[in-house]
Amino acid sequence: DAGVTQSPTHLIKTRGQHVTLRCSPISGHKSVSWYQQVLGQGPQFIFQYYEKEERGRGNFPDRFSARQFPNYSSELNVNALLLGDSALYLCASSLDALVGGNQPQHFGDGTRLSIL
Amino acid sequence: EDQVTQSPEALRLQEGESSSLNCSYTVSGLRGLFWYRQDPGKGPEFLFTLYSAGEEKEKERLKATLTKKESFLHITAPKPEDSATYLCAVISGGSYIPTFGRGTSLIVHP
Repeated sequence: DAGVTQSPTHLIKTRGQHVTLRCSPISGHKSVSWYQQVLGQGPQFIFQYYEKEERGRGNFPDRFSARQFPNYSSELNVNALLLGDSALYLCASSLDALVGGNQPQHFGDGTRLSIL
Repeated sequence: EDQVTQSPEALRLQEGESSSLNCSYTVSGLRGLFWYRQDPGKGPEFLFTLYSAGEEKEKERLKATLTKKESFLHITAPKPEDSATYLCAVISGGSYIPTFGRGTSLIVHP
C-alpha cells in the first residue's frame, strides 16, 4: 500500500514568492496535518484538516493557508515567502481526527523548501 | 502550554551497548505520547503510542515506558541500523495539536 506522498520533493524559491505544496494521504485516512521542521528541531504543527474542515491551527502567520479536497488530499500554501520559511514541510495522515490522542500519524518524506 | 524536552540531544553507542533515551513532558491532561524514528532526509516513522502511566510497549530492540512526567525509550543491544533521530510527541486533553520534542540523535558504531 502506498504511504503518504508529497510533491514536490525539493523546491527553491525567492523571497516574496508564493508556493503550493501537495499531499496525498494513505488510502482510507481522512485527516491530514501539516508540519514545519527546521534543521535540528522537531516538527512544528501548522494545520490539521479532517473531512475538509480545519480542525487545528498552530502558531503560524496568516501567510500560511491550507485546504483539503473531497478525495482527502491537501495543499499547503505559503505567500510572501521569507528566508525563515526555509524548512522541511511534512504532511501526516491519520484515520480520524486527533481527538483522544489515540490516532498515530503517518508521515510523508516531506518537501524541502529553500528560500533564496 | 504543552512542553516536551528530550535528552540527551545526541548519543553515541557501540554496537550491543544498551541505553535509554528520555522524554520529559508538561501537559494539561495527557491524551497520548508518541515515539517516532526519523532517518536523514525522511519523514518520521511511527514507533509507539502510550496512553497512561505504567504502560509499556516493545518492538524488536526497542521498549517504550511511560510515567506521569516522562517516557523512556530503551534500546537493547543496538545495531548500526538503529542509528537515527528519535522524536517524542504529546497530545494533551482537548487539543488536536501534537507537540514534538527536538529529538535525540542516536549513532551506533559497529
